[in-house]
Amino acid sequence: GDSVTQMEGPVTLSEEAFLTINCTYTATGYPSLFWYVQYPGEGLQLLLKATKADDKGSNKGFEATYRKETTSFHLEKGSVQVSDSAVYFCALRKKSGNTGKLIFGQGTTLQVKP
Amino acid sequence: EPEVTQTPSHQVTQMGQEVILRCVPISNHLYFYWYRQILGQKVEFLVSFYNNEISEKSEIFDDQFSVERPDGSNFTLKIRSTKLEDSAMYFCASSDGLAGGETQYFGPGTRLLVL
Repeated sequence: GDSVTQMEGPVTLSEEAFLTINCTYTATGYPSLFWYVQYPGEGLQLLLKATKADDKGSNKGFEATYRKETTSFHLEKGSVQVSDSAVYFCALRKKSGNTGKLIFGQGTTLQVKP
Repeated sequence: EPEVTQTPSHQVTQMGQEVILRCVPISNHLYFYWYRQILGQKVEFLVSFYNNEISEKSEIFDDQFSVERPDGSNFTLKIRSTKLEDSAMYFCASSDGLAGGETQYFGPGTRLLVL
């Protein structure tokens, strides 16, 4: 079945370091891809998305490119801040036969130290 | 910015008791969802709801679970007879479309603990 796999966490970085969180997916067809973020004590918030191959989603300095050939959607940020500390979830949603269901990866905890 | 709200934020219940988790989706949204996250595990889809009926449900969503939109604003998840393994964070979400890129907006969650 359809699935999303993320790199294991936690990821611990110093402020201003470069961030990559890997995400790969398995799905029939070409799903839409999402990154959600969960700050402590809050719900899931959409960070960025891409709906077709080679699309790049970006927001708040984060970027991810939809790579069909490697079935990946890795999250990157050039210079992380302490305020980026959160749990990051990669997710997919099918476009056909779709009821809107999101399929999530297991989440990756990011801790940024000053 | 409009937001999805959920009540209560925390609930503790005894095994076998019924619980109702409440959600107020964003007002002009038509598609509603429940997800859950057992501690340390993935966020899992439970059910989607559109036009006053379930459009998809997962294997987790058995006869002990039900959803309802009792009025124009609330969306509820009922667990009829809770089990220990129902302990999890439950998230409600809503969206205004299905074409592919529409954002699902999530509430802050209800943490359910079954003793």
